[in-house]
Amino acid sequence: DIQMTQSPSTLSAFVGDRVSITCRASQSITTSLAWYQQKPGKAPKVLISKASSLQSGVPSRFSGSGSGTEFTLTINSLQPDDFASYYCQQYSSYPVTFGQGTRLEIK
Amino acid sequence: EVQLLESGGGLVQPGGSLRLSCAASGFTFSDHYMDWVRQAPRKGLEWVGRIRKKTNDYTTEYAASVKGRFSISRDDSRNSMSLQMNNLKTEDTAVYYCVRVFNGGSQWHLDLWGRGALVTVSS
Repeated sequence: DIQMTQSPSTLSAFVGDRVSITCRASQSITTSLAWYQQKPGKAPKVLISKASSLQSGVPSRFSGSGSGTEFTLTINSLQPDDFASYYCQQYSSYPVTFGQGTRLEIK
Repeated sequence: EVQLLESGGGLVQPGGSLRLSCAASGFTFSDHYMDWVRQAPRKGLEWVGRIRKKTNDYTTEYAASVKGRFSISRDDSRNSMSLQMNNLKTEDTAVYYCVRVFNGGSQWHLDLWGRGALVTVSS
């Protein structure tokens, strides 16, 4: 199975900050990676697919990069609505696997 | 409205069985692969399994943690999917999400999620 490792597990930041979350795969997944945002008590929402393709309706302050084994989700100019948990997910091979999540908190 | 709605969650004893259902509406259900994803209390997301569409013979994939105990099926005529869970363990306690798979060439993400159904396995 492909293991997905996110860092950091928790991130504290101010409104207006630029933050980055890293996701590492245990083997190459080319660009078969998606990012999700989840708020407490709600279902996840897809932000980015194919490592860098921003999904419809997602603000442009979100961006994704990377290929192979290392990927980054960057959020520019954090807004209050962005404080949530974020997960990466690989779909290169079965079983589909998620990272353990990053909780983004207000500082 | 485009939506997925899970039902059938509840409390079950270890070793017991439970069947979750997912009702789809607002889109062509038969065109999509469908997944189940779960989330244990205060934990991360865990993919449970997938069922492909008719043109792929409704074949299935499962996570190792549930293989042999859980079974996914679908009824395209009723726009529904089911998750049959047998020999349940306490570690299966989680919110179970019904999820639509988007397949756009090289993009394979989970683009529509239900609200989730809570399954609690406890004596």
